[in-house]
Amino acid sequence: SQQGEEDPQALSIQEGENATMNCSYKTSINNLQWYRQNSGRGLVHLILIRSNEREKHSGRLRVTLDTSKKSSSLLITASRAADTASYFCATDESRQSGGSNYKLTFGKGTLLTVNP
Amino acid sequence: EPEVTQTPSHQVTQMGQEVILRCVPISNHLYFYWYRQILGQKVEFLVSFYNNEISEKSEIFDDQFSVERPDGSNFTLKIRSTKLEDSAMYFCAVPGPTLHLHFGNGTRLTVT
Repeated sequence: SQQGEEDPQALSIQEGENATMNCSYKTSINNLQWYRQNSGRGLVHLILIRSNEREKHSGRLRVTLDTSKKSSSLLITASRAADTASYFCATDESRQSGGSNYKLTFGKGTLLTVNP
Repeated sequence: EPEVTQTPSHQVTQMGQEVILRCVPISNHLYFYWYRQILGQKVEFLVSFYNNEISEKSEIFDDQFSVERPDGSNFTLKIRSTKLEDSAMYFCAVPGPTLHLHFGNGTRLTVT
């Protein structure tokens, strides 16, 4: 699989249900980020988790990171119709020099549809 | 209000023509990034620009592409001779406060 590969490719749920999306990657990373994209629009940053963190919360979002398995998951709880969008993970790869140069590697995304 | 404004929102051009995509940040940034997304595909890094110089570029960013900061505020991506496969959404981005990127709403480029 390629760096930053999400699954499933598409997910359809009912309003109020939880949505879980997964991401796998291949290299060592500084951090992993999740972005949301509404159709034809720009990417909006949702949450960032650093390589030394295992779990992070922000509102209805919960992100986990397992660096031993090179995988992450994004959980959206109590979904709403307005959550309908594509969700992308993006990795910021580790560098010898350290730090970040914001050269993110994105996956193909998960298209989430929340039905009212 | 978005950190970055991109113009135009949609550009249609004929193959072989030059296009200039523009990006205007609302505050001073030294770092700029261009990414592109071919329809239905993943978002791909094109180039990073720091202090008026390219700091890193991808394999996609060949000699047909160039970036400039012509007047100290606007940031442009130029494609000299467009090809059909250049059709994509092009996103400008600037760093956010916590290692993430602020993306503009993008320019949809259609090459016919």
